[in-house]
Amino acid sequence: GNSVTQMEGPVTLSEEAFLTINCTYTATGYPSLFWYVQYPGEGLQLLLKATKADDKGSNKGFEATYRKETTSFHLEKGSVQVSDSAVYFCALSGGSSGSRLTFGEGTQLTVNP
Amino acid sequence: GAVVSQHPSRVICKSGTSVKIECRSLDFQATTMFWYRQFPKQSLMLMATSNEGSKATYEQGVEKDKFLINHASLTLSTLTVTSAHPEDSSFYICSTGSKSGGTDTQYFGPGTRLTVL
Repeated sequence: GNSVTQMEGPVTLSEEAFLTINCTYTATGYPSLFWYVQYPGEGLQLLLKATKADDKGSNKGFEATYRKETTSFHLEKGSVQVSDSAVYFCALSGGSSGSRLTFGEGTQLTVNP
Repeated sequence: GAVVSQHPSRVICKSGTSVKIECRSLDFQATTMFWYRQFPKQSLMLMATSNEGSKATYEQGVEKDKFLINHASLTLSTLTVTSAHPEDSSFYICSTGSKSGGTDTQYFGPGTRLTVL
C-alpha cells in the first residue's frame, strides 16, 4: 500500500534561515503529492501540490518538486518567518488508494525571532 | 480552493451523551466527504468516507454504531459521536474532495475539539 515518511521533528530555526523538510513516499501507479500546513488549533490548509513527475508546486515562498526517481517531495523555503511556525504534513493520493489521502507523521516547525 | 466549515468549533459534554458535528461545503457540491480524527501531536487518522445518499465507508477498527455519519445533501455531512466517553475526546476534522486542475484535492474544515468529561 501507499505510505509517506517525513523527517522527524521538531525543527527549530531562526528567522530568515533556510528550511528543508524531507518527505519520501511509497506508492503504486502515479500518485499526486501534497503539502498541508496546520496552525495551532486549526484544521489543515493546502500549501502546495504536484501531480506528475518533475512538477514543482509553490506557494507563499515554499516549494517542492515531485522527484519520481528518488520518490521524494521535499519542502523548501529560502527564508522562514516567525509566522511559518506550524506543523507541516506531506501527503499523497492516487495509486492504490484512489482519492484517499495518505499522510506523513507531520513535522513541527518553530521559527524564533 | 473549496471552503469548508465545521460546527461547533469546540464542544464539552458529559460522559454518556451524544454529540453531533456538522461539516459544510460552502462553495461547491461535495459528493464525497471525509472524517478524520487527530490526537495531540499526531497525524490525522481517517475514520470514514461519507458518500452523499448512501452509507458511509468506515475504516478498519472504527465503530460505525458509535460514530454515525449522515451525508444527506451535497453540502452537509454530520458525524454523531454516540454515548461519548472520555477516550473519545479528540480533534475531529472533515474534508471535501474537489477536482482542482484535474486532480482530486481535499480541502479541510477548521476542526472540532471534543472534550468528554
